[in-house]
Amino acid sequence: EAGVVQSPRYKIIEKKQPVAFWCNPISGHNTLYWYLQNLGQGPELLIRYENEEAVDDSQLPKDRFSAERLKGVDSTLKIQPAELGDSAVYLCASSLDLLGQDSYNEQFFGPGTRLTVL
Amino acid sequence: SQQGEEDPQALSIQEGENATMNCSYKTSINNLQWYRQNSGRGLVHLILIRSNEREKHSGRLRVTLDTSKKSSSLLITASRAADTASYFCANSGGSNYKLTFGKGTLLTVNP
Repeated sequence: EAGVVQSPRYKIIEKKQPVAFWCNPISGHNTLYWYLQNLGQGPELLIRYENEEAVDDSQLPKDRFSAERLKGVDSTLKIQPAELGDSAVYLCASSLDLLGQDSYNEQFFGPGTRLTVL
Repeated sequence: SQQGEEDPQALSIQEGENATMNCSYKTSINNLQWYRQNSGRGLVHLILIRSNEREKHSGRLRVTLDTSKKSSSLLITASRAADTASYFCANSGGSNYKLTFGKGTLLTVNP
């Protein structure tokens, strides 16, 4: 079974340009996450979706970042315009959250998109 | 900002030795998880320990949890060169079970 798929793997853009990342989660997983990982740091959650609904977007810089998961499957994360400080790895993860079960829902991560803003 | 902190930040050992990494967190948790990240690859889940557990084993991995000290440790026994990676702890707490990652420990296992 395929894991979480992300594209592109690498992206280099100039500042003020827009950029978009795409994620296809593991089939059947209802919860999708976007994380930001700076060099030498652990991932930080940007947004979490349960099906189509963004249930936690408190860490998403909404002035320039947007995300969507229209059909509750794949998702896109967009930055417009990009700034130098946005250079990082953007990770997508998915999990199968089952109501009524234990709180543990293992998250499966994609390989990430490494963004460089010049 | 991130809640968890790993210690040490970097660890270099010889193949066959044991590696111990520590993690501290700040608030109450439902569970604590350890992840591995190889260079250029995504995060891979290693092991989870629940807040009511004190120790857990999985293959060459041993995790302990001390909720009174808000700390956890990951022990990798008989290390291999392939264990070279960054190791992150992530704690899950609150109503939405959000994962909060630490900064990680970079483990280098020399052949």
